[in-house]
Amino acid sequence: QKEVEQDPGPLSVPEGAIVSLNCTYSNSAFQYFMWYRQYSRKGPELLMYTYSSGNKEDGRFTAQVDKSSKYISLFIRDSQPSDSATYLCAIGATSGTYKYIFGTGTRLKVLA
Amino acid sequence: DGGITQSPKYLFRKEGQNVTLSCEQNLNHDAMYWYRQDPGQGLRLIYYSQIVNDFQKGDIAEGYSVSREKKESFPLTVTSAQKNPTAFYLCASSRSVTEAFFGQGTRLTVV
Repeated sequence: QKEVEQDPGPLSVPEGAIVSLNCTYSNSAFQYFMWYRQYSRKGPELLMYTYSSGNKEDGRFTAQVDKSSKYISLFIRDSQPSDSATYLCAIGATSGTYKYIFGTGTRLKVLA
Repeated sequence: DGGITQSPKYLFRKEGQNVTLSCEQNLNHDAMYWYRQDPGQGLRLIYYSQIVNDFQKGDIAEGYSVSREKKESFPLTVTSAQKNPTAFYLCASSRSVTEAFFGQGTRLTVV
């Protein structure tokens, strides 16, 4: 079993839709959860991070963590064509080192 | 502007040749990382370093080597022992576990 599982998509939605992107993880030792956005042929850009169960909001983006289910989500409201990218979840732990495990990424296309 | 600079953006390697990818950061971050990205496989950790003159192997270190002589720099050498080096290579740095920042990547192709 992979440490982080993420549906690769592609996911196509109309402009203005609410998008839900999800990851599951297997090891409860991981304490930090991040979402990155990656445009084609570019480096990933950090969108949000959180370390507690519950919701964290930043503009049109909401990150949600459910540690009991080992499930993390990213919601995008009022999606725009400029949101079309690959979204990567990442989990981290501080057990002596800063290490990150990345999901495979979900490719999102927002249609105008 | 603070950030991470990777160079070159595109690199071509001949069979049996070693090549070095550059990564420089001016964010004053202690930790630096190299990842390899292949289609459908996400990011896989090659090497990471938490302090100068110290580094650890990641999940796919075979055929790669690194050095960390300065805090700002973490070059990656792809050696001839790496049999399938064609990929997108990403360098990252962080000061904490919640803030890893990436460069724009180097696309390496074997010709």
